Amino acid sequence: GAGVSQTPSNKVTEKGKYVELRCDPISGHTALYWYRQSLGQGPEFLIYFQGTGAADDSGLPNDRFFAVRPEGSVSTLKIQRTERGDSAVYLCASSFGGDTQYFGPGTRLTVL
Amino acid sequence: GQNIDQPTEMTATEGAIVQINCTYQTSGFNGLFWYQQHAGEAPTFLSYNVLDGLEEKGRFSSFLSRSKGYSYLLLKELQMKDSASYLCAVYNTDKLIFGTGTRLQVFP
Repeated sequence: GAGVSQTPSNKVTEKGKYVELRCDPISGHTALYWYRQSLGQGPEFLIYFQGTGAADDSGLPNDRFFAVRPEGSVSTLKIQRTERGDSAVYLCASSFGGDTQYFGPGTRLTVL
Repeated sequence: GQNIDQPTEMTATEGAIVQINCTYQTSGFNGLFWYQQHAGEAPTFLSYNVLDGLEEKGRFSSFLSRSKGYSYLLLKELQMKDSASYLCAVYNTDKLIFGTGTRLQVFP
């Protein structure tokens, strides 16, 4: 079956703008994760969903970041009032329960 | 705190064997993962250790010692396509905590 998909693959925006990043997990995977990866670094945890609810959002850097998963499948990561420091690759992963996490190709966000 | 250490860069020759070490100090531990990541691509799963010992999967093996907070990834019969970053990650309750990754360059 299809793997994790993310759209858009690239997003360029201006400082202060609002962006939405979408993740479509592997069908049947109940858990969904968002990570952020800066150049030369490993992915950094942002938020974890089990079903529709955010089970752990301790990695969200501040209240400009928000994520939803209304029907327990597709998730959207929302960033308000973007800053240049938000530039990174945003990775989504999914798993069946707490099993191995499978990553999508990521969205490269550039804030000018 | 959470601390995962692995070498930043390594080089090796095609056909050789290379061992990438990872040490960790984390507040919780539910297993250790290794992922491979080619430049500009998503991390792909290589191995998972939850108990002490060696797990072998083809050319790749991974070892874990929980008492020492230590793991390694062993790559045999290196191929040019193995040039990539290798990420060590501790699974802690509900999330992966990654090291910065080891960039491996394989030369002919």
